Amino acid sequence: GQQVMQIPQYQHVQEGEDFTTYCNSSTTLSNIQWYKQRPGGHPVFLIQLVKSGEVKKQKRLTFQFGEAKKNSSLHITATQTTDVGTYFCAGARGSWGKLQFGAGTQVVVTP
Amino acid sequence: NAGVTQTPKFQVLKTGQSMTLQCAQDMNHEYMSWYRQDPGMGLRLIHYSVGAGITDQGEVPNGYNVSRSTTEDFPLRLLSAAPSQTSVYFCASSYMTGTLIGEQYFGPGTRLTVT
Repeated sequence: GQQVMQIPQYQHVQEGEDFTTYCNSSTTLSNIQWYKQRPGGHPVFLIQLVKSGEVKKQKRLTFQFGEAKKNSSLHITATQTTDVGTYFCAGARGSWGKLQFGAGTQVVVTP
Repeated sequence: NAGVTQTPKFQVLKTGQSMTLQCAQDMNHEYMSWYRQDPGMGLRLIHYSVGAGITDQGEVPNGYNVSRSTTEDFPLRLLSAAPSQTSVYFCASSYMTGTLIGEQYFGPGTRLTVT
């Protein structure tokens, strides 16, 4: 079964609001990546986190890797209509880790 | 640079037919992978390769074969298509740093329908 879980599956946000999507693994991850997929498009890489407790920011997006390297979060502030899409996390376990994707959080933004 | 290219963009097969999905990258990446994407399931890894001549199975390898004779190409073969293989298929490539997979670049995808 899927060992990388993402919540929520669906997020409806008013423009200007903040929201957070979470990624949880049952096992320790060597690294985690986040991707964004627009409707009808392909996944596009956003960020990679490797270190325990790591926090990275990209403009309005803040990514965090948990201390135990079993969870991660993506926080978006002041949501814009351009943030519409599905956000996926992908975690790797062990050496030559196979990246396992979560089911994604589909984000809909209303003006 | 073309990045990652996939052909065809769309394909309809009858049950039992075989076909090859093509994937090529021009970034000299060691790591290449194939995923299938089904509604509500995210992307599931079918097969991957860490270099020419080296391939391994992902989460859902049954019914698919791969080979990696060159760094650039990583074709995916469906041996005997089944309706359960109806999906969108993405190929991706990335560099590797030690054993860590780097940023993955995805192709545009192939939408496959098996009737």
